[in-house]
Amino acid sequence: SYVLTQPPSVSVAPGQTARITCGGNNIGSKSVHWYQQKPGQAPVLVVYDDSDRPSGIPERFSGSNSGNTATLTISRVEAGDEADYYCQVWDSSSDRPWVFGGGTKLTVL
Amino acid sequence: QVQLVQSGAEVKKPGASVKVSCKASGYTFTSYDINWVRQATGQGLEWMGWMNPNSGNTGYAQKFQGRVTMTRNTSISTAYMELSSLRSEDTAVYYCARGPFRSYGLNWGQGTLVTVSS
Repeated sequence: SYVLTQPPSVSVAPGQTARITCGGNNIGSKSVHWYQQKPGQAPVLVVYDDSDRPSGIPERFSGSNSGNTATLTISRVEAGDEADYYCQVWDSSSDRPWVFGGGTKLTVL
Repeated sequence: QVQLVQSGAEVKKPGASVKVSCKASGYTFTSYDINWVRQATGQGLEWMGWMNPNSGNTGYAQKFQGRVTMTRNTSISTAYMELSSLRSEDTAVYYCARGPFRSYGLNWGQGTLVTVSS
């Protein structure tokens, strides 16, 4: 089945740029979606179809996808961005078509 | 605005069943899939299955085949997920999420904690 690999943690100072990667075999051929999850809350979609933002998500959140790596970029990081971030793809060949990465804890220093 | 409101927390004994509801509002219920995802404490997200509220068609992860049933009542815009033969490993928060066919979770319910304990 398809596997998505994320770094367990990423740390960044306020005002800097955070980049969270999501690795998968030829992931560039798939649409990648990103969720933000704060403690005790449900996930929130922040980027879909590689680089589109749902209504209400700040422009500071952006995404890219090429080759074997997709990246969620958060510009001008704020304390409120501290959360777990999950990437997800839909893979028709998988037993579980919604494939999630293991999640990345973003810490704002 | 779009809302998915789930039923409250449940405590069940091993071997029992649980049925979680997900009431949709703010959009046409039959126009988007409902997916169910669970999350054990401190763990990642685990997809369980999907349902097309229009047709009633479903698809389940192999891990849950035979134990999970997803249904809906279109007259009250509510989706249901029933999990049977519960064991302690099923203790988790269960989320419903609406989204386009075979893609992503655009909106999520607030989650329902299911605790399985003797």
